[in-house]
Amino acid sequence: DQQVKQNSPSLSVQEGRISILNCDYTNSMFDYFLWYKKYPAEGPTFLISISSIKDKNEDGRFTVFLNKSAKHLSLHIVPSQPGDSAVYFCAAKDINDYKLSFGAGTTVTVRA
Amino acid sequence: NAGVTQTPKFQVLKTGQSMTLQCAQDMNHNSMYWYRQDPGMGLRLIYYSASEGTTDKGEVPNGYNVSRLNKREFSLRLESAAPSQTSVYFCASRTGTTGVFHEQYFGPGTRLTVT
Repeated sequence: DQQVKQNSPSLSVQEGRISILNCDYTNSMFDYFLWYKKYPAEGPTFLISISSIKDKNEDGRFTVFLNKSAKHLSLHIVPSQPGDSAVYFCAAKDINDYKLSFGAGTTVTVRA
Repeated sequence: NAGVTQTPKFQVLKTGQSMTLQCAQDMNHNSMYWYRQDPGMGLRLIYYSASEGTTDKGEVPNGYNVSRLNKREFSLRLESAAPSQTSVYFCASRTGTTGVFHEQYFGPGTRLTVT
């Protein structure tokens, strides 16, 4: 059973507007959450992470929010740019090991 | 500094054939991982090696074997390929085994088709 779920397979947004990607999880033992970005024919690249003891982490145009009570995290991209068009994977790490559990991914398309 | 490299980039196999996917990292990382990516399934862990000399099963290990040849190299072997193993395979590595968390770095992938 998937412990990390990204329920929106795709998202289309206009350039300059905000992109909001959502992720839900079921394992209360997750202590780190990460977002990876993947372009076609390339490997995923790390984008941003958040520890379970925080509720927000910001890096430039990217902000990740964590709501532990709802077991929900989101990634905000502001403003969205054409180069942000990619697949975004949510991932989480269990406190007891160093493996990552990944969601199915959300394909973001930024329209000019 | 090449990061994580994978060979080959593409491969077509017939059912029953065997092959080995190669992975190497030059970042002196302790941990290495093999994933497969299938449409709608995200990345699923096949095997991992927390440190040189150790390997463990991940979420979907059936039909695969691995070898941690040394600290740099981690190979994935398909002994008898099946169409269900058609996928994109990613190798990843991560520094450290304890303490502060570090993210995983991924290779460019191997696209495998089994007919």
